[in-house]
Amino acid sequence: KAGVTQTPRYLIKTRGQQVTLSCSPISGHRSVSWYQQTPGQGLQFLFEYFSETQRNKGNFPGRFSGRQFSNSRSEMNVSTLELGDSALYLCASSFGDGSYEQYFGPGTRLTVT
Amino acid sequence: GDSVTQMEGPVTLSEEAFLTINCTYTATGYPSLFWYVQYPGEGLQLLLKATKADDKGSNKGFEATYRKETTSFHLEKGSVQVSDSAVYFCALSEGSSYKLIFGSGTRLLVRP
Repeated sequence: KAGVTQTPRYLIKTRGQQVTLSCSPISGHRSVSWYQQTPGQGLQFLFEYFSETQRNKGNFPGRFSGRQFSNSRSEMNVSTLELGDSALYLCASSFGDGSYEQYFGPGTRLTVT
Repeated sequence: GDSVTQMEGPVTLSEEAFLTINCTYTATGYPSLFWYVQYPGEGLQLLLKATKADDKGSNKGFEATYRKETTSFHLEKGSVQVSDSAVYFCALSEGSSYKLIFGSGTRLLVRP
């Protein structure tokens, strides 16, 4: 069974631009969560989607948004990029039915210059 | 709010040594507990899990027991290998949500 895939793997953007990251979950998984990983703040939860609805949201500004499609694939968008948004963005998928284990993709490394 | 505290790293061991990485948590409910491992340049891999008190999770020689009385979930392995060198994260699921709260990670370096 294929794992969680994320595209692109690497991105370089300029301050003020926006970016869209994509995540395809494991087949059969309906929950997709996004995390930001930085050396200073560690791993922080961004949001979680289930059946195209956002179920949980972390403490990030409104510049960070996401969505989920009917095939469970998810995208996250960051608008008006700041230098501090440079991070590894990880997507994780789960069945979403009460088993809380999540399986992570390889991540997208975003660099903002 | 809920939180996870891990021992500071790096932890440096010789091959075949015994490994313990301490993890304690604070939670208002009864979270599920997890250990994840991250190799350089990769995402996180689920290593093991425990969903209720006294559960023991195990995988690839690693073990951890959910101790409600001490709010701990320490990771152990009897004999480490060079290939175990990685960063290990302890995590809990907050409430009945899919939000994972992670510890700061512990880097393990195993020398031949």
